[in-house]
Amino acid sequence: DAKTTQPTSMDCAEGRAANLPCNHSTISGNEYVYWYRQIHSQGPQYIIHGLKNNETNEMASLIITEDRKSSTLILPHATLRDTAVYYCIVRPHSGNTPLVFGKGTRLSVIA
Amino acid sequence: EPEVTQTPSHQVTQMGQEVILRCVPISNHLYFYWYRQILGQKVEFLVSFYNNEISEKSEIFDDQFSVERPDGSNFTLKIRSTKLEDSAMYFCASSEQGSTDTQYFGPGTRLTVL
Repeated sequence: DAKTTQPTSMDCAEGRAANLPCNHSTISGNEYVYWYRQIHSQGPQYIIHGLKNNETNEMASLIITEDRKSSTLILPHATLRDTAVYYCIVRPHSGNTPLVFGKGTRLSVIA
Repeated sequence: EPEVTQTPSHQVTQMGQEVILRCVPISNHLYFYWYRQILGQKVEFLVSFYNNEISEKSEIFDDQFSVERPDGSNFTLKIRSTKLEDSAMYFCASSEQGSTDTQYFGPGTRLTVL
């Protein structure tokens, strides 16, 4: 089973920041937080990952709390193309450990 | 940007027939995976493959499933005798050995078993 808890759905106005929360209270010291998204029935798309520091790339920012029990994915300026299911996943960052997907958060970006 | 490719995009087959789903992982990646997603359900792990061997497999990956890397570029999933419940999207993924182990997914093959 997934080790994370996410809201089932969220709405966001186009052009606004989308903040997607994730709880992972049982995360272990060697586990990273990964975010993927799935647009319609396409293959999951990697977004970002982090261990304990905040991370930013061209797609998003990842804010991880100091106790590492929760995190927030931030899409700074959401567009209609960001409408998707977003998955928060914790896993060790080594070897070939499978990804365990939960149900994710369905983000709807509204014009 | 390198990407994982999969063929065919849609496969329709009769129950009991064999199907082979094909994937071309990112060229310098060494770890390969198959996942599946039944319509409306979660993405589920099937099998991982490294150095020409299965590394890990889930309970779903029973004797009717097999994987192979027949040459230096393709990675295949074979379902020996398809069942109605095998209808799903099948996703291939690959990751690079070493510290960067992010898995990158292909677009998927939709398998419909009639």
